[in-house]
Amino acid sequence: AQSVSQHNHHVILSEAASLELGCNYSYGGTVNLFWYVQYPGQHLQLLLKYFSGDPLVKGIKGFEAEFIKSKFSFNLRKPSVQWSDTAEYFCAVNAPQAAGNKLTFGGGTRVLVKP
Amino acid sequence: SAVISQKPSRDICQRGTSLTIQCQVDSQVTMMFWYRQQPGQSLTLIATANQGSEATYESGFVIDKFPISRPNLTFSTLTVSNMSPEDSSIYLCSVLGSLPYEQYFGPGTRLTVT
Repeated sequence: AQSVSQHNHHVILSEAASLELGCNYSYGGTVNLFWYVQYPGQHLQLLLKYFSGDPLVKGIKGFEAEFIKSKFSFNLRKPSVQWSDTAEYFCAVNAPQAAGNKLTFGGGTRVLVKP
Repeated sequence: SAVISQKPSRDICQRGTSLTIQCQVDSQVTMMFWYRQQPGQSLTLIATANQGSEATYESGFVIDKFPISRPNLTFSTLTVSNMSPEDSSIYLCSVLGSLPYEQYFGPGTRLTVT
């Protein structure tokens, strides 16, 4: 079964700092990759996704992620964070050949942006 | 993306009782999913619910404990039966979007079992 690991459980940074959250998965076949965000008191929202093509994908609110197949990674980045980026971020992987439409989630990273 | 609502949004229940959580979608969807998010942990898939067929449960989850109904293409329920404090979690439903493999999530139901 595939697994997903997120390297950091908690990240604290100041506004305007750059953010990078790591995500690695264990499955060797074709994958679809997602980052979800959960703002305080809100439901889980899709931030960005990778299915195929350009490995650098751009999402909402200035976020981007890069798929590096050789490293089984899909790291999330934002060049300059804002206080409103305080949230929990989840990486998720879909392995269609192994698991159909199911998603496997990483453990999540809580990001706190200090004003 | 689909608009998903869940009822109740939160509840406090006594040990040994059962709670049924409803999930309503504003459009017809083929697949619905139920997840559990235990305190401080990530999301774990409980089961996949397709309309007109029995739900498919993940390892560690059984129908007697988490019976699921899917009477039509816009609605599903998850029952948490014979609850214990270990069942205290957020329960989320999600739906498969118009693009393959893309899921959209409801707001969740926060359950506390005392």
